[in-house]
Amino acid sequence: GNSVTQMEGPVTLSEEAFLTINCTYTATGYPSLFWYVQYPGEGLQLLLKATKADDKGSNKGFEATYRKETTSFHLEKGSVQVSDSAVYFCALYGGATNKLIFGTGTLLAVQP
Amino acid sequence: AAGVIQSPRHLIKEKRETATLKCYPIPRHDTVYWYQQGPGQDPQFLISFYEKMQSDKGSIPDRFSAQQFSDYHSELNMSSLELGDSALYFCASRPLGRGGEQFFGPGTRLTVL
Repeated sequence: GNSVTQMEGPVTLSEEAFLTINCTYTATGYPSLFWYVQYPGEGLQLLLKATKADDKGSNKGFEATYRKETTSFHLEKGSVQVSDSAVYFCALYGGATNKLIFGTGTLLAVQP
Repeated sequence: AAGVIQSPRHLIKEKRETATLKCYPIPRHDTVYWYQQGPGQDPQFLISFYEKMQSDKGSIPDRFSAQQFSDYHSELNMSSLELGDSALYFCASRPLGRGGEQFFGPGTRLTVL
């Protein structure tokens, strides 16, 4: 079945460091891919999305490119801020399923 | 902009009691989803409704039931509560045709003592 695997956290970075959170997926068909972010005590918020191969999603300085050949959708940001501290979830939708399948989440802690 | 509303935000129950969680989706969103998130875990899909009809079912225990009403709000009913039901319960709604782009509510934190 469909699944998402993302790197385990926590990821601890200093402010202005480069961020990569790896995400790979297994799916039948052609799913859409998403990154959701969950700040402490809040619900999930859509951060960015890509609906087909080679699409790049971007928002708030974060980027991720839908790579079909490597079945990946890695999240990157060039310079993180303390306010980016949160849990990041990679997710897929579609293919053989019509529900969101989440990865296990990666906690990012950015220190000043 | 309107967001998904959930009530209550916090709920404390004893074992074997019942609980009802409510969700008010964003207006004109056609699909409502319920998720359960345990501590440090990813959200687990429970059930969804499309235009007031159950559209998909995930890992929802038989002790739980849900429905969507004519005004599109949804309720998750939980009976014979167990300690393991303690979790964050999220409702999400989705605009027509937007696939996995779901808008999440702030969640209800249920604690079963």
